[in-house]
Amino acid sequence: ILNVEQSPQSLHVQEGDSTNFTCSFPSSNFYALHWYRWETAKSPEALFVMTLNGDEKKKGRISATLNTKEGYSYLYIKGSQPEDSATYLCALTGTASKLTFGTGTRLQVTL
Amino acid sequence: NAGVTQTPKFQVLKTGQSMTLQCAQDMNHEYMSWYRQDPGMGLRLIHYSVGAGITDQGEVPNGYNVSRSTTEDFPLRLLSAAPSQTSVYFCASRKTGVSYNEQFFGPGTRLTVL
Repeated sequence: ILNVEQSPQSLHVQEGDSTNFTCSFPSSNFYALHWYRWETAKSPEALFVMTLNGDEKKKGRISATLNTKEGYSYLYIKGSQPEDSATYLCALTGTASKLTFGTGTRLQVTL
Repeated sequence: NAGVTQTPKFQVLKTGQSMTLQCAQDMNHEYMSWYRQDPGMGLRLIHYSVGAGITDQGEVPNGYNVSRSTTEDFPLRLLSAAPSQTSVYFCASRKTGVSYNEQFFGPGTRLTVL
């Protein structure tokens, strides 16, 4: 079983703040890293998939980076808005196409 | 495309009852999986399938059975429900072949076992 760890567990920021959180994973047996956004009472939705060391992806105010050699990925949110409030999940693709998920970072953005 | 569909959305069972959670996808995805979501524990993999006729266990398979007779359907069976199986269940699917294919989730089934 791949060990995927996310930190912090939860985060509370003010509107307009920029924030980031971390996903850590074993650097061996790496195939791909996925970030998902999961709003309460909905199902997770894919944000990014990254496969190569040094990959950077961006979607609006959200971006992510990947370091496969040291086994981590960062997710950044610039100028947080209340609609960014959600749980952000990181997942690794290992063997047999399985995705192993971390426990997530719960972000709350207040006015 | 409807994507990944799950039924029912809500279910209440008594301890010892059995039931089947339905999952279907219309994207011709080979890989399908079932997760359960519990507070503080994220998504844990119950069972998965890489194609019709092939299933395998995930992290928490005990108390659950699956089958994959068609590419489209992947039902999850609770043989004898226990209160510990109270959870939200998500079905997901993705195309295999490359590791960076996105995984799509169904809307979830909220199950309560009394």
